[in-house]
Amino acid sequence: RKEVEQDPGPFNVPEGATVAFNCTYSNSASQSFFWYRQDCRKEPKLLMSVYSSGNEDGRFTAQLNRASQYISLLIRDSKLSDSATYLCVVNWNTDKLIFGTGTRLQVFP
Amino acid sequence: DADVTQTPRNRITKTGKRIMLECSQTKGHDRMYWYRQDPGLGLRLIYYSFDVKDINKGEISDGYSVSRQAQAKFSLSLESAIPNQTALYFCATSDSSGGQAYGYTFGSGTRLTVV
Repeated sequence: RKEVEQDPGPFNVPEGATVAFNCTYSNSASQSFFWYRQDCRKEPKLLMSVYSSGNEDGRFTAQLNRASQYISLLIRDSKLSDSATYLCVVNWNTDKLIFGTGTRLQVFP
Repeated sequence: DADVTQTPRNRITKTGKRIMLECSQTKGHDRMYWYRQDPGLGLRLIYYSFDVKDINKGEISDGYSVSRQAQAKFSLSLESAIPNQTALYFCATSDSSGGQAYGYTFGSGTRLTVV
């Protein structure tokens, strides 16, 4: 089993749609969770951290389910500018982060 | 200026050549990392360093070496480049004082092509 697994997509959604991505992780001892956004040929950038109680930042909501070992990202009212690859990231042995291979989102007009 | 600067941005080199990729940061972070990214494989850790005297291998260190010249500088070398080292290389930093709570800051990347 991969350490961090994501559906590669692509998810093709119209503007204004709501879309959700899930990510599963294998290390039950993981403590820190993040979603990063990566535009084509650019560096990954931190989108949001994921807290146990769930957290929201504008149109973006992240959830953590420790029992099932998955995190989710919900994007409401999708914009064309949301088109990117979303990387699920989990800490590993407290020393470093493990990155998923990403889920590609394409928002169309 | 960017917080994490990588040079060069793009490089084409021949098989067998030695090449160095450089990374410098102004964030004052103690931890630095080198990753490579290949289509479908995501980001894979090559080497990481938690301070100037601490260097650790990542999951794919073969064929690479690193040097942490100062807290702010971490360079990656390919002693004898081969075509399957063609990839996008990222340097990243993090601050140990926050544990992993704040994630990493990435440089803009170096696109390396070995022909």
